[in-house]
Amino acid sequence: KNQVEQSPQSLIILEGKNCTLQCNYTVSPFSNLRWYKQDTGRGPVSLTIMTFSENTKSNGRYTATLDADTKQSSLHITASQLSDSASYICVVSQNAGNMLTFGGGTRLMVKP
Amino acid sequence: GAVVSQHPSWVICKSGTSVKIECRSLDFQATTMFWYRQFPKQSLMLMATSNEGSKATYEQGVEKDKFLINHASLTLSTLTVTSAHPEDSSFYICSASPMLEGQGLEAFFGQGTRLTVV
Repeated sequence: KNQVEQSPQSLIILEGKNCTLQCNYTVSPFSNLRWYKQDTGRGPVSLTIMTFSENTKSNGRYTATLDADTKQSSLHITASQLSDSASYICVVSQNAGNMLTFGGGTRLMVKP
Repeated sequence: GAVVSQHPSWVICKSGTSVKIECRSLDFQATTMFWYRQFPKQSLMLMATSNEGSKATYEQGVEKDKFLINHASLTLSTLTVTSAHPEDSSFYICSASPMLEGQGLEAFFGQGTRLTVV
């Protein structure tokens, strides 16, 4: 069964601190892995998309890693800001992206 | 990046009435769009795949007569919640995917529609 597991489910950190979110998947065949940020009451916004051959990809203060052998990914947020408070969703796609499996998300709260 | 626009952002309707939600790809054509439902503190659940010019494909457990999908053009898909009931209250999100060279399809999501049935 195709699954995407994210941890932790929720996380509270202080402004300025770093954090790392985890994503493990059992989706096969693998096409790509995406990280999305979803603000409350809004649609998800893409942060990164990585294919099989990519190990790391950055988007500003967000850095995603992918280990296709162990089927693990992480999203590292550097120097967190209050606006980083959101849900972060890991999504793995099959078949050139037409079939998506969503993780349950990690709810991040950044406190001043 | 590609833009997907969803309208309305929120809607309140009476039980028994129907509500139509629009999903538009603003700067690309999408032969396929997807409709999701999201309950509080949960992830997105795929409801159906909307195919331009043909019938939508519904996920198991989703009533096709209740959630009518029309994909009349390459830039517009609509979801109509018919005879809405309070249990249909939820956050509905659409997505569309342009082809990105070397990366396959990238999904871009609409802003979501908060439906409240009273």
